[in-house]
Amino acid sequence: RKEVEQDPGPFNVPEGATVAFNCTYSNSASQSFFWYRQDCRKEPKLLMSVYSSGNEDGRFTAQLNRASQYISLLIRDSKLSDSATYLCVSGFHSGGYQKVTFGIGTKLQVIP
Amino acid sequence: DGGITQSPKYLFRKEGQNVTLSCEQNLNHDAMYWYRQDPGQGLRLIYYSQIVNDFQKGDIAEGYSVSREKKESFPLTVTSAQKNPTAFYLCASGRASNQPQHFGDGTRLSIL
Repeated sequence: RKEVEQDPGPFNVPEGATVAFNCTYSNSASQSFFWYRQDCRKEPKLLMSVYSSGNEDGRFTAQLNRASQYISLLIRDSKLSDSATYLCVSGFHSGGYQKVTFGIGTKLQVIP
Repeated sequence: DGGITQSPKYLFRKEGQNVTLSCEQNLNHDAMYWYRQDPGQGLRLIYYSQIVNDFQKGDIAEGYSVSREKKESFPLTVTSAQKNPTAFYLCASGRASNQPQHFGDGTRLSIL
């Protein structure tokens, strides 16, 4: 089983739609969680950290469910510019280092 | 502006040649990381370093070497022992604890 699993998609949604991605992680010791956005042939960029209480940043909402070991990302009112691959990340501390594992990414295509 | 600078953007390697990818950061981050990304795969950790003159192997260190002589710099050498070096190489840095990593804009390495 992969440490971090995501549905690679693609998710094709119309502009204005709401879309949700889930991601599961296998390491119950994971302490930190993030969503990154990666545009084609570019570096990943931090979209948001995921906190236990859930957090929101504009149209984006992230949630963490420790009992079921998954995190989610909800995008409301999708824009064409949201088209990208969304990477789920979990991390833990080991010997003073933060070790993170990236999911394969979920590709989103927002259609006019 | 603070950030992570990777160079070159594109690199071509001949058979039997070692090549070095540069990564410099001015974010005053302690930890630095090298990842490799192949099409359809998630990021895979090659090496990481928490402090100067110390570094650890990641999941796919074979055929690679690094050094950390300065806090700001973490160069990666792809040696001739790496038989399949064609990939997108990403350098990242971060603080300790549960903070997210930030990426440079990557180096694309290809075989001539």
